[in-house]
Amino acid sequence: DVKVTQSSRYLVKRTGEKVFLECVQDMDHENMFWYRQDPGLGLRLIYFSYDVKMKEKGDIPEGYSVSREKKERFSLILESASTNQTSMYLCASSLPDGYYGYTFGSGTRLTVV
Amino acid sequence: LAKTTQPISMDSYEGQEVNITCSHNNIATNDYITWYQQFPSQGPRFIIQGYKTKVTNEVASLFIPADRKSSTLSLPRVSLSDTAVYYCLVLGGNTDKLIFGTGTRLQVFP
Repeated sequence: DVKVTQSSRYLVKRTGEKVFLECVQDMDHENMFWYRQDPGLGLRLIYFSYDVKMKEKGDIPEGYSVSREKKERFSLILESASTNQTSMYLCASSLPDGYYGYTFGSGTRLTVV
Repeated sequence: LAKTTQPISMDSYEGQEVNITCSHNNIATNDYITWYQQFPSQGPRFIIQGYKTKVTNEVASLFIPADRKSSTLSLPRVSLSDTAVYYCLVLGGNTDKLIFGTGTRLQVFP
């Protein structure tokens, strides 16, 4: 069964901490994505990557960065966590044109206190 | 990017057929339509996609008229476990990023 695995299901961090959210996929997908989901706002795209070492800003990149050193791994970094970054974070991967669908991870619920 | 519009919520009862219609008036020639399902505290799950006419799989059917300005997701004989949020999205052409709207929240009652 193909999988996107997010390293943590729940995470609690303090304001100002540097936070790493890890995502690994085993499908040899070129594309990987990070979304956040908040009540009433739906899923919003933070960053995505079409290839190793490539990254593109999504709709809400401020306060975040990403790293893709290997094809199967895409990391989301909160440089200095703030309370407004408390959210559910979802990672996804897909083939280049997305035609066979995106596969999402189960999500990481991050709370910044 | 083709914007999609779908109802915010729908209610149904177990055993009924549910049809969720989505409009995408400015869909481009190379775009296709894709639907996802999301349960609480889980990531969205791909259900079905199509370009035109009708597509059917083990989960749902997707009906797309000739003008492709709308599409209808049909769930046959829903059960309580079909209670979820359903997202209609348009993909392809110049974009391969999924941009989610607010979706349709389907509530199935016993």
